[in-house]
Amino acid sequence: GAVVSQHPSWVICKSGTSVKIECRSLDFQATTMFWYRQFPKQSLMLMATSNEGSKATYEQGVEKDKFLINHASLTLSTLTVTSAHPEDSSFYICSARDPLAGVSYEQYFGPGTRLTVT
Amino acid sequence: DAKTTQPPSMDCAEGRAANLPCNHSTISGNEYVYWYRQIHSQGPQYIIHGLKNNETNEMASLIITEDRKSSTLILPHATLRDTAVYYCIVKLPHTGNQFYFGTGTSLTVIP
Repeated sequence: GAVVSQHPSWVICKSGTSVKIECRSLDFQATTMFWYRQFPKQSLMLMATSNEGSKATYEQGVEKDKFLINHASLTLSTLTVTSAHPEDSSFYICSARDPLAGVSYEQYFGPGTRLTVT
Repeated sequence: DAKTTQPPSMDCAEGRAANLPCNHSTISGNEYVYWYRQIHSQGPQYIIHGLKNNETNEMASLIITEDRKSSTLILPHATLRDTAVYYCIVKLPHTGNQFYFGTGTSLTVIP
């Protein structure tokens, strides 16, 4: 199946700093990517939909000024957690859909990025 | 998109078939059933999907009832590496393509 990568795989930062997470589709072009957040022992929560060349669409309750999303190319979307606080510590996962994968639109997920804010 | 209901946890003996149920009684005619799994601290992995007919691939089989209100994911010969949280998701294929995850079933394969 299609491959989606994330970088870094884990990051530790100090409270008040900003952290950028990259999501790349390695063998296909993704016009749409998605960002999820997962707290320990909980399910994935969709944060936002990242559209190439346009503004991201955020889910209700997700602060767009805190979680900046940029989808500058068909293979790269970035999530920047601004002014991070300990409560932002979580597992961040991106996904992308291969537009050539057919009508059923399954998505491929990255390996996730573990963010720890101290 | 329709909501799904899955048992929170299941055990399965290694080498035996693991049958994971999912209820989706409010599913609409055009909604697909997708199954993903998430091994600890990894991103979700696509397993299989279907609309009406039963489906089989190298990983699993998907059995969808005739009324489409429920489905079962079958791992024919479970191994220890199949220990994971399994998510059943029902959605229209084109509605923004977002996946909304439920709580899933935590499957433990026992030696």
